[in-house]
Amino acid sequence: GAGVSQTPSNKVTEKGKYVELRCDPISGHTALYWYRQSLGQGPEFLIYFQGTGAADDSGLPNDRFFAVRPEGSVSTLKIQRTERGDSAVYLCASSITGTGQFFGPGTRLTVL
Amino acid sequence: QKEVEQDPGPLSVPEGAIVSLNCTYSNSAFQYFMWYRQYSRKGPELLMYTYSSGNKEDGRFTAQVDKSSKYISLFIRDSQPSDSATYLCAMSDSGGYQKVTFGTGTKLQVIP
Repeated sequence: GAGVSQTPSNKVTEKGKYVELRCDPISGHTALYWYRQSLGQGPEFLIYFQGTGAADDSGLPNDRFFAVRPEGSVSTLKIQRTERGDSAVYLCASSITGTGQFFGPGTRLTVL
Repeated sequence: QKEVEQDPGPLSVPEGAIVSLNCTYSNSAFQYFMWYRQYSRKGPELLMYTYSSGNKEDGRFTAQVDKSSKYISLFIRDSQPSDSATYLCAMSDSGGYQKVTFGTGTKLQVIP
């Protein structure tokens, strides 16, 4: 398919562990976004990339969260020293100018 | 107070009814308005993308924006059971690459 893909679909980890979540955007989309969605809430902005650089990382909750997009396509969201409060669905989206953002299916992260 | 307010529902309607969903917002800088549909355990799917005030129609869906009242609506005509989902309003102050602010979503159930 030509949509946004995210892996893994589910991730269960223990408190204190490190996790990486991957996003493959739609081909040709230069903008890539990460959001976090808690149960019963709308997606909450974390960070967006314009090409390889993070154009706005104002939504990252603290320095345990970090994201990269080294070649301007695939992105990885990294969470260090996970906490139970990090449990949520992590959504990735991509876009081009003048359109809305197109979302992937999300990664459901559970921190035990 | 949240920047975007949306009644969480749930909203139950009989098949064939006209559904009205709405959001209010406080940030007058918002100019781009979107509606997303999200099925359970799926990523949000873009339904409508509009700029500034006015109406936009796409099939059974009509989006309305009233910037003077900071109020947006989504109407669904001839509602179908397959429309049962959570509907998220979203908005941004730029049509380019910018973070989007979401409402909490309204859960809709269309009863056959």
